[in-house]
Amino acid sequence: AQTVTQSQPEMSVQEAETVTLSCTYDTSESDYYLFWYKQPPSRQMILVIRQEAYKQQNATENRFSVNFQKAAKSFSLKISDSQLGDAAMYFCAYVYNFNKFYFGSGTKLNVKP
Amino acid sequence: DAGVTQSPTHLIKTRGQQVTLRCSPKSGHDTVSWYQQALGQGPQFIFQYYEEEERQRGNFPDRFSGHQFPNYSSELNVNALLLGDSALYLCASSGGETQYFGPGTRLLVL
Repeated sequence: AQTVTQSQPEMSVQEAETVTLSCTYDTSESDYYLFWYKQPPSRQMILVIRQEAYKQQNATENRFSVNFQKAAKSFSLKISDSQLGDAAMYFCAYVYNFNKFYFGSGTKLNVKP
Repeated sequence: DAGVTQSPTHLIKTRGQQVTLRCSPKSGHDTVSWYQQALGQGPQFIFQYYEEEERQRGNFPDRFSGHQFPNYSSELNVNALLLGDSALYLCASSGGETQYFGPGTRLLVL
């Protein structure tokens, strides 16, 4: 069964510093997609970055990048030059064959000025 | 281009009542998924609609039902509400593998 685990319930980072959020998943499939979503206190879930499992190159979106380790089933999110607006809940998600998303339990990121 | 919209934003019901939540997908998207998010937890998949049919269903009782209309908008119905149904209900639309979420409907059951 597919599961997504985020082992860090809460993390803090100083403004302008770098932080890495961890995510591991369990699947028997070889072709799937992984996502990081951000949910600020206003609650709208926003797509941060996505990774296609068949692509070995790690995805990047401006200050956000991932470290995708397929064999280890690990998918971490690195936020560089953290900003106050990055404070939010971050959810890791997995989907296979356009089926339902499996979400992790989330990591609350605090950004200190 | 409007994103995913949901109505209402907030709702208060009492135990045993029925509720209907509505979702309009992002333009060009034909698939709608519904999630329940309890406070402090990740979203839990309820079901997914495609071409007006339920394509996938999560581990939710039959009290949770849905519908998709020809214009791809969707409704989530919950019958015989329980206190435990209090949560944020998220709708997500997709035209491929990426889902885009609406702002959610906060349901409080008293």
